Amino acid sequence: AQTVTQSQPEMSVQEAETVTLSCTYDTSESDYYLFWYKQPPSRQMILVIRQEAYKQQNATENRFSVNFQKAAKSFSLKISDSQLGDAAMYFCAYRSAGGYQKVTFGTGTKLQVIP
Amino acid sequence: GAGVSQTPSNKVTEKGKYVELRCDPISGHTALYWYRQSLGQGPEFLIYFQGTGAADDSGLPNDRFFAVRPEGSVSTLKIQRTERGDSAVYLCASSLKGTRGGAVTGELFFGEGSRLTVL
Repeated sequence: AQTVTQSQPEMSVQEAETVTLSCTYDTSESDYYLFWYKQPPSRQMILVIRQEAYKQQNATENRFSVNFQKAAKSFSLKISDSQLGDAAMYFCAYRSAGGYQKVTFGTGTKLQVIP
Repeated sequence: GAGVSQTPSNKVTEKGKYVELRCDPISGHTALYWYRQSLGQGPEFLIYFQGTGAADDSGLPNDRFFAVRPEGSVSTLKIQRTERGDSAVYLCASSLKGTRGGAVTGELFFGEGSRLTVL
């Protein structure tokens, strides 16, 4: 079974600075998707960024980028120029690209942005 | 609708009562998921539907929990004889089956959740 591990329960960053959230996963599959989701206090989960395992290039979305290390099974999220609105829980998630579509989440990292 | 809709938003019930939580996914999404999220934790998988059938119900904690999706669209999560430990936010998500090369790459679209409190 796939597992997703987020070893940082809480992180803080100064506004306008850069922060990196860590995620590792365990799988025997070669083809899969990885995601970072943001969950603000309003509760609704929002997709931040996705990475397809067959793509070597790291995904970027504006101020958000990932460092995908397939061999190391590592998938970290970098937030540049942090803003107050980035404060939230961040969840790393894994999804198989094959026929079975279960999505497994990590335990989350609570990000605090300090003004 | 435009997004995943979950009702009720909040539900308070007494121990031993029966509860139904409803999820209306994005139109056309074939996959539907239920997750349970306790305070400060990540979403815990309960059940996954592909169409009308439960493709994986291995996350349902016991036989008090049951979910249906009779027409392949709306789903209902049913909890019998509720216990205080069932208190949590129940999240529903839907997606198209992930495909390669297109715009769809396995993203889940979440509702706002149903907060269940069992007194």
